[in-house]
Amino acid sequence: EAGVTQFPSHSVIEKGQTVTLRCDPISGHDNLYWYRRVMGKEIKFLLHFVKESKQDESGMPNNRFLAERTGGTYSTLKVQPAELEDSGVYFCASSHYQETQYFGPGTRLLVL
Amino acid sequence: SQQGEEDPQALSIQEGENATMNCSYKTSINNLQWYRQNSGRGLVHLILIRSNEREKHSGRLRVTLDTSKKSSSLLITASRAADTASYFCATTGSGYALNFGKGTSLLVTP
Repeated sequence: EAGVTQFPSHSVIEKGQTVTLRCDPISGHDNLYWYRRVMGKEIKFLLHFVKESKQDESGMPNNRFLAERTGGTYSTLKVQPAELEDSGVYFCASSHYQETQYFGPGTRLLVL
Repeated sequence: SQQGEEDPQALSIQEGENATMNCSYKTSINNLQWYRQNSGRGLVHLILIRSNEREKHSGRLRVTLDTSKKSSSLLITASRAADTASYFCATTGSGYALNFGKGTSLLVTP
């Protein structure tokens, strides 16, 4: 069974540009999550999808971040426009129920 | 915040020794999970312990949970160089969001 995959693995962009991160969850997992870790800080929750619906987006930092999950399969996280403080590692995870969350390898974003 | 706090921040031991990491949290939880992250890689789920459980084992891993003290410990027995990684505890409350601590960096030397 394939694990959670994320694309790209790395992204370097300039301040003001737009970046879109993609996550493919484990097949059959209705729950999909986004987290991020900025330098020197804890891994922080961003939002949670159940199928295509946003169940909890309390961790989204501001309206420059837009997450979608069309058709309840893969998800995208768009940052527009990117700022320097958005640099970090963005993790996606998925789960079948409210228990074990399986994480992807992360996307390392650097905003210059 | 239910944020977990791991202790120590860094731990260095030799192969064959046991490694113990602790985690404290602030509010009531539904479950507590431990994850491992090898350098530059993703998070690997190690073990989940529910709030009504006190101890769980998985291979060389032993996790305890003391809800009265709001703390958990992860014991890795007979450590190996391949255990070198960062270890995180994460809690969930009524929702699904995981609340992570800053992690413990474990170095196992041959």
